[in-house]
Amino acid sequence: GQSLEQPSEVTAVEGAIVQINCTYQTSGFYGLSWYQQHDGGAPTFLSYNALDGLEETGRFSSFLSRSDSYGYLLLQELQMKDSASYFCAARRNYGQNFVFGPGTRLSVLP
Amino acid sequence: DAGVTQSPTHLIKTRGQQVTLRCSPISGHKSVSWYQQVLGQGPQFIFQYYEKEERGRGNFPDRFSARQFPNYSSELNVNALLLGDSALYLCASSSEADRADGYTFGSGTRLTVV
Repeated sequence: GQSLEQPSEVTAVEGAIVQINCTYQTSGFYGLSWYQQHDGGAPTFLSYNALDGLEETGRFSSFLSRSDSYGYLLLQELQMKDSASYFCAARRNYGQNFVFGPGTRLSVLP
Repeated sequence: DAGVTQSPTHLIKTRGQQVTLRCSPISGHKSVSWYQQVLGQGPQFIFQYYEKEERGRGNFPDRFSARQFPNYSSELNVNALLLGDSALYLCASSSEADRADGYTFGSGTRLTVV
């Protein structure tokens, strides 16, 4: 079957660094995306890893290890506005059929 | 520039009814995908359309159907509504059928089935 696992909740303080892990079991795996979703809002694209390694975009970095079926999202210099749900999404085959994880709710405390 | 727009934003329907949800992609985007997001869960893929052709279908019953128009807008239809169809229905668009980045979601239609 298709499944992704993420921690359900993570809490951190402003200015800290937090890592959100994602493990996947997906046939036809092609890459891993990360999305941010604020309550009542649309999911917003953060990053995509097609190859093993680290991708850095400003305060956010994403990592993929295909051999371990594992990825993570790293958020640095946390801000209050980063409080949201974060989803990993495995891309199946070379298309746009994404299998989303259950989401990790990040709470950033002052 | 307008983002992905969906209508209506909220909808209440009765079991057994039919519903049509609409999506207008970002200007220039030719690919539209539909997702269902049940409260507290991640979005689940329903369909992808590109250039009016179905490019992918998720594990949803035949009660769910969609189409894409020449202007690349799209409609999602759900027949014989069940209580379990209550969810946020999201539309996403991108410029090409196979891009993973630049995949932009609309704010969704909140469907409640009573």
